[in-house]
Amino acid sequence: AQKVTQAQTEISVVEKEDVTLDCVYETRDTTYYLFWYKQPPSGELVFLIRRNSFDEQNEISGRYSWNFQKSTSSFNFTITASQVVDSAVYFCALSEARTGANSKLTFGKGITLSVRP
Amino acid sequence: EAGVTQSPTHLIKTRGQQVTLRCSPISGHTSVYWYQQALGLGLQFLLWYDEGEERNRGNFPPRFSGRQFPNYSSELNVNALELEDSALYLCASSLGSGGFSDTQYFGPGTRLTVL
Repeated sequence: AQKVTQAQTEISVVEKEDVTLDCVYETRDTTYYLFWYKQPPSGELVFLIRRNSFDEQNEISGRYSWNFQKSTSSFNFTITASQVVDSAVYFCALSEARTGANSKLTFGKGITLSVRP
Repeated sequence: EAGVTQSPTHLIKTRGQQVTLRCSPISGHTSVYWYQQALGLGLQFLLWYDEGEERNRGNFPPRFSGRQFPNYSSELNVNALELEDSALYLCASSLGSGGFSDTQYFGPGTRLTVL
């Protein structure tokens, strides 16, 4: 069965530090998508990135970067030079192609990131 | 472009009552999803609607139900409320027909408290 593990539950850093949020997934599918979402205190989940299982290129978007490694079933997220506004809960999620599972996002438990000034 | 909207933002009910939550998708999106985020249980998939039909359902009892209207908005109904139904209910929408590659965009949620 599909599963997403975010082993870190809470991380606290000082502003301007770099921080990496880990995500490990399990799936029997060869075709799947991985996502990261940010949930600020307001509650709304904000989409950050989507990556398919055939594209292992790392991605950078401003201060955010993602490292996808199929060999270790990991999709880690790094924030460079963190800011107080980065404080939120971050979720990694998986969607699979197989019938019955498609359309359903399986989420990890989330990582609470606190960035102190 | 307006995002996914949900109403109400907060709701307080007592055990045994019934509740209806509402969701309007992003314009042009035809698929709507419902998730429950309960304390300690994380985000769990509830329901998926596309083109007015229920396409998939998570591991929830039948007292959780819903529907999708011709304008693609959706309602989630919960009957016979129990204390453990207290949670943030999130609605999401996607542009496609709900395939696994679709990106789901979420609304702000409805916070339900059952006393």
